[in-house]
Amino acid sequence: GAVVSQHPSRVICKSGTSVKIECRSLDFQATTMFWYRQFPKQSLMLMATSNEGSKATYEQGVEKDKFLINHASLTLSTLTVTSAHPEDSSFYICSATDSSGGETQYFGPGTRLLVL
Amino acid sequence: AQSVAQPEDQVNVAEGNPLTVKCTYSVSGNPYLFWYVQYPNRGLQFLLKYITGDNLVKGSYGFEAEFNKSQTSFHLKKPSALVSDSALYFCAGRYYGGATNKLIFGTGTLLAVQP
Repeated sequence: GAVVSQHPSRVICKSGTSVKIECRSLDFQATTMFWYRQFPKQSLMLMATSNEGSKATYEQGVEKDKFLINHASLTLSTLTVTSAHPEDSSFYICSATDSSGGETQYFGPGTRLLVL
Repeated sequence: AQSVAQPEDQVNVAEGNPLTVKCTYSVSGNPYLFWYVQYPNRGLQFLLKYITGDNLVKGSYGFEAEFNKSQTSFHLKKPSALVSDSALYFCAGRYYGGATNKLIFGTGTLLAVQP
């Protein structure tokens, strides 16, 4: 149980294009999902907290117009990197908590984004 | 400020020997503490958590961790290491009653188990 999937697992795009990453909770409902960014050999940096049916809460320094988050259902949140640039290249990981009140965040397998 | 610290960037241990990966926390109130493992180019896998109750928590793959309030520590342990345990380990925490359930992550410890 408590499986979170991400799609795509890897994406290569040209500078200036937009990329959408999907995060799905497969066997539970997730009121809250989180989006993280991880640089090589570093810890996870929380970008935003996504709540179903409401606007995402962004961490300080994260551009909300750059990283668009939509959490339209209890099992799906999307992160769109708009007008991507090479410095946006990174490993993006989502996580979700069970809406039944669990404390544990379950993580997706991550998406490797490379912007050329 | 609330924080989680992993003082060792890397831990080396021989296969079959016991392993310890250290974690200390500075989280106000009663902390919730977690251990996750990350294999290369993968997301984080949940290992175990401490919420309340018994200070010794048992988790997946034979790992356990002991919550020590006086030392503000939550070290991860395993009696006998396997080569397949080699991975990046993250300690994380949040405090009970927080407005959000955001996790604070440590910087990670790379565990290398030599055959």
